[in-house]
Amino acid sequence: DAKTTQPTSMDCAEGRAANLPCNHSTISGNEYVYWYRQIHSQGPQYIIHGLKNNETNEMASLIITEDRKSSTLILPHATLRDTAVYYCIVRVIGAGTLTFGKGTMLLVSP
Amino acid sequence: SQTIHQWPATLVQPVGSPLSLECTVEGTSNPNLYWYRQAAGRGLQLLFYSVGIGQISSEVPQNLSASRPQDRQFILSSKKLLLSDSGFYLCAWGFTNEQFFGPGTRLTVL
Repeated sequence: DAKTTQPTSMDCAEGRAANLPCNHSTISGNEYVYWYRQIHSQGPQYIIHGLKNNETNEMASLIITEDRKSSTLILPHATLRDTAVYYCIVRVIGAGTLTFGKGTMLLVSP
Repeated sequence: SQTIHQWPATLVQPVGSPLSLECTVEGTSNPNLYWYRQAAGRGLQLLFYSVGIGQISSEVPQNLSASRPQDRQFILSSKKLLLSDSGFYLCAWGFTNEQFFGPGTRLTVL
């Protein structure tokens, strides 16, 4: 069973920030938060991961609450190409396997 | 740079027929390799993973099997396909932090 809870779907206007929440209230101290996304009919794509500090890369920002029980993936300026299913995953780094839940279907509209 | 190949891209097979899906990785050595399946309307399910030649771990019992005859080759097989084997099959490679997914094979069993 996935250890995360995400909304089934979200909408976002093109050019606006998309904020995707994830609850992981049972996360362990040695588990990281990973985000992947899957554009329709393609394989998943790694976005970002973090332990407890906020992280930013060229694709997105990851904000993790101080108690680490939830996080938010931020796409600062969503484009139509960001329409995808976004998966929040917790795993022990180096564990090798990923357990995907159902994710959030983000629809970016003009 | 690393690349991952899967073939065929699409496949239509009758129930009871055998299956062989191939995945190869270029540009890296001794990667972890993974097979996932995504059934219609469902999330990604990890089927098998391998940390080295001849080393296969199965995540779920099923009529599928996997083999890793070479370092960068991962094969998914079945002796007799079931209707429930239909889905989108994804191969991935990775090490500690990230997994990189191939383009996938869409299998339809009739």
